[in-house]
Amino acid sequence: GENVEQHPSTLSVQEGDSAVIKCTYSDSASNYFPWYKQELGKRPQLIIDIRSNVGEKKDQRIAVTLNKTAKHFSLHITETQPEDSAVYFCAASSDGQNFVFGPGTRLSVLP
Amino acid sequence: DTGVSQNPRHKITKRGQNVTFRCDPISEHNRLYWYRQTLGQGPEFLTYFQNEAQLEKSRLLSDRFSAERPKGSFSTLEIQRTEQGDSAMYLCASSQFFGRGYTFGSGTRLTVV
Repeated sequence: GENVEQHPSTLSVQEGDSAVIKCTYSDSASNYFPWYKQELGKRPQLIIDIRSNVGEKKDQRIAVTLNKTAKHFSLHITETQPEDSAVYFCAASSDGQNFVFGPGTRLSVLP
Repeated sequence: DTGVSQNPRHKITKRGQNVTFRCDPISEHNRLYWYRQTLGQGPEFLTYFQNEAQLEKSRLLSDRFSAERPKGSFSTLEIQRTEQGDSAMYLCASSQFFGRGYTFGSGTRLTVV
């Protein structure tokens, strides 16, 4: 089955700097890769996603890149703000039905 | 109906008791998923419904766990003879289209004492 790894497990950046979180997956059939943000005590919320036929996708300060050959994808947050502090989860799916999530990255944006 | 609703938000139960959780998905979403999340981990897939049909169950879903979605709308997840290892956040999610991200509910936090 699919296995998703995520690095780093914790990340601290100064406000205004960029943050990058990387994920790798094992199943070459995976073709959909969402990213979720989970604030303390709250539900995971979809922030961006990418399909296998696209190499990069941007939404304001957030971007995701995908390298299908290497089976890895990354989340990039630019001009970080304190409200970006949360746990971020990547996920992979080969059919859009059942997502396999990474273990999460705790991002702290320091003022 | 503005989101996925889960009840109760918190449940404390004694070991060996049965518990049941309810999930009301977004009304036009025909896909419904149950996940379990323990502290410091990502959500782990439990089971998935398309309309009333349960299409997939994880190995994590032991015979003490059962899920239903009898009319293709709300779903229930029952855990029989609860164990301390069942303590977790149980998340429900729904989606409308194939290959789209889920909308998660706020979850039910189960504590087995």
